[in-house]
Amino acid sequence: DTEVTQTPKHLVMGMTNKKSLKCEQHMGHRAMYWYKQKAKKPPELMFVYSYEKLSINESVPSRFSPECPNSSLLNLHLHALQPEDSALYLCASSQDGTRNEQYFGPGTRLTVT
Amino acid sequence: GDSVTQMEGPVTLSEEAFLTINCTYTATGYPSLFWYVQYPGEGLQLLLKATKADDKGSNKGFEATYRKETTSFHLEKGSVQVSDSAVYFCALSHTGGGNKLTFGTGTQLKVEL
Repeated sequence: DTEVTQTPKHLVMGMTNKKSLKCEQHMGHRAMYWYKQKAKKPPELMFVYSYEKLSINESVPSRFSPECPNSSLLNLHLHALQPEDSALYLCASSQDGTRNEQYFGPGTRLTVT
Repeated sequence: GDSVTQMEGPVTLSEEAFLTINCTYTATGYPSLFWYVQYPGEGLQLLLKATKADDKGSNKGFEATYRKETTSFHLEKGSVQVSDSAVYFCALSHTGGGNKLTFGTGTQLKVEL
C-alpha cells in the first residue's frame, strides 16, 4: 500500500481564519514533506520532516506552521493567509531522508478569500 | 545547483502513437531520477524511477533509461491511450540533500481518438 491521505480535499478560508491541513501515511515512512503547487507549475518544497524533526524549511513565511505529532501524521497550520497563498498543497512521504522515491497524497485545494 | 529541463508542451498525439518526452538534467554526482504523472485535479503519482547509470525504469508500458553520458532520462511509450492524458514531471534527488526533489517544468500530454 503506497497511500498518502490528505484532508480536507478542498478548503476555503478568509484571511483572518485559522485552519489546518492534515496528512497521514501508514507505510512506515520516516520522512514527510509539504509542497505548494500553483496552476501549471511543478510542486515547490516547503518543509521536510525526517524522523519527526524538522530538517528543511525553505524560507516559508511564518503564517504556515508545520507540525509532526508522530511518524504517521503531518499537519500544516494556516493563519492570516494572503490570496496569493491559494494553491494545491501536497503532502508526500518517503522511506527516509535519503534519495528514495516520494509518494504523494491527492492534495488539498486551498482558496484564500 | 541541480536543474531538470523538459520539453515544452502541450504534446498532442493520436491514440496508439509513439510517445517521447525529453528530459535532461544537470547535477553533480549520481542523482536518482524519477518520472511523476499528474492527472487533472489529482496529486502526483510515481510512474518510474532509476537510481544508477544504465538503469531502465518501467511501469504501465512507460520506460526511461538513465543515461549518464548524455545526462538524460527520456520517457517513452510505444502506444499511448486517451487515458494517458496528463502532465508528466521529470525529477531528480540527491543523497544528503534532504531528499529534495528538483522538478522539471512539466509536459502536458493530450491524447486524442
